[in-house]
Amino acid sequence: GENVEQHPSTLSVQEGDSAVIKCTYSDSASNYFPWYKQELGKRPQLIIDIRSNVGEKKDQRIAVTLNKTAKHFSLHITETQPEDSAVYFCAASTGDSTLTFGKGTMLLVSP
Amino acid sequence: NAGVTQTPKFQVLKTGQSMTLQCAQDMNHEYMSWYRQDPGMGLRLIHYSVGAGITDQGEVPNGYNVSRSTTEDFPLRLLSAAPSQTSVYFCASSYVQGANTEAFFGQGTRLTVV
Repeated sequence: GENVEQHPSTLSVQEGDSAVIKCTYSDSASNYFPWYKQELGKRPQLIIDIRSNVGEKKDQRIAVTLNKTAKHFSLHITETQPEDSAVYFCAASTGDSTLTFGKGTMLLVSP
Repeated sequence: NAGVTQTPKFQVLKTGQSMTLQCAQDMNHEYMSWYRQDPGMGLRLIHYSVGAGITDQGEVPNGYNVSRSTTEDFPLRLLSAAPSQTSVYFCASSYVQGANTEAFFGQGTRLTVV
């Protein structure tokens, strides 16, 4: 089955810096790659996603890039703010309704 | 719309007890899933359903049963609770639109088995 690796497990940045989280996947049939943000004690919520026919997608300060050949995708957050502090999960899907998640990255943004 | 509703939010069980975690969604989604979340392990799929009457196993199904008699409800049963099942459980519902599979999560159930 699919295997998703996520790095780093923790990431500390200063407010205003950029943050990058990277994921790799194993199943070449995967075609949908969402990112979820989970604040402490809350449920995971989708923040951005990308399909395999797109190389990059942006939404304000957040962007995701996908390299199908290398089977990796990344989340980029620019101008980080303290409210960006959370655990971020990448995931991959072959479009069959199931998601395989990475183990998560705890992002800490210091004022 | 309430979205995905899970009950209870917290539960303490003794080893060997059984219980059912409830999950209901009002978005008319065909797909529903159960995940467990453990520190450093991410979200791991327990069971999922692609429609009423259809269920399948995920990555970590042992010790859990599910059924899907209606589109709205997808309960998770712990047959004989073990300390290894101490975890936070999330139910999710999703739609599939082309390649997109956005999952909407419930608020979670924190289960402790002593």
